[in-house]
Amino acid sequence: DGGITQSPKYLFRKEGQNVTLSCEQNLNHDAMYWYRQDPGQGLRLIYYSQIVNDFQKGDIAEGYSVSREKKESFPLTVTSAQKNPTAFYLCASSIRGRDNSPLHFGNGTRLTVT
Amino acid sequence: DAKTTQPNSMESNEEEPVHLPCNHSTISGTDYIHWYRQLPSQGPEYVIHGLTSNVNNRMASLAIAEDRKSSTLILHRATLRDAAVYYCILKEGGSGGSNYKLTFGKGTLLTVNP
Repeated sequence: DGGITQSPKYLFRKEGQNVTLSCEQNLNHDAMYWYRQDPGQGLRLIYYSQIVNDFQKGDIAEGYSVSREKKESFPLTVTSAQKNPTAFYLCASSIRGRDNSPLHFGNGTRLTVT
Repeated sequence: DAKTTQPNSMESNEEEPVHLPCNHSTISGTDYIHWYRQLPSQGPEYVIHGLTSNVNNRMASLAIAEDRKSSTLILHRATLRDAAVYYCILKEGGSGGSNYKLTFGKGTLLTVNP
């Protein structure tokens, strides 16, 4: 079955540590995205990538970094500069360049920083 | 960013139809209307999308107003498994970065009573 895998499901870190969230897709999609969701809120876009070796900042990129070295992988690093890192992180992918292409989401990683 | 307005919550009884409204008065001519739903602690799931004409699929129907300033997601017979947060979003048409910056609001929390 094709899909998006996010790991781990739950992640705990101490304040001041960087942490990397994994996102892998086998849908052969060019575009990939990272969203953040806080309790009772909608999704906010952190970074997105339209193609390998290219990515752009979303609405809340400060304190985060990404890389896109392979088509199937789009890891997100939450750095110590992110002031409120505790949240639910969602990765998604879509076909590039088609206006009506839906997003396919993973099941998220819940990060808790204490 | 093109924005949408949805009621915060709605309630339905099992096996009855549900009509979930969405207003998008600033929609542009090339914007697609997408609907997603999210179960607790999971990533959003694509439901349906449309441009101008009404659309049907195995999950739901999408009714789009003639002026495209509003749309309605129709679940023909609600089940307990349909209880979720439903998001109505606009996927901006055209090329370039804006096509990828999807805005998810808080959505509508649908409660289904047995």
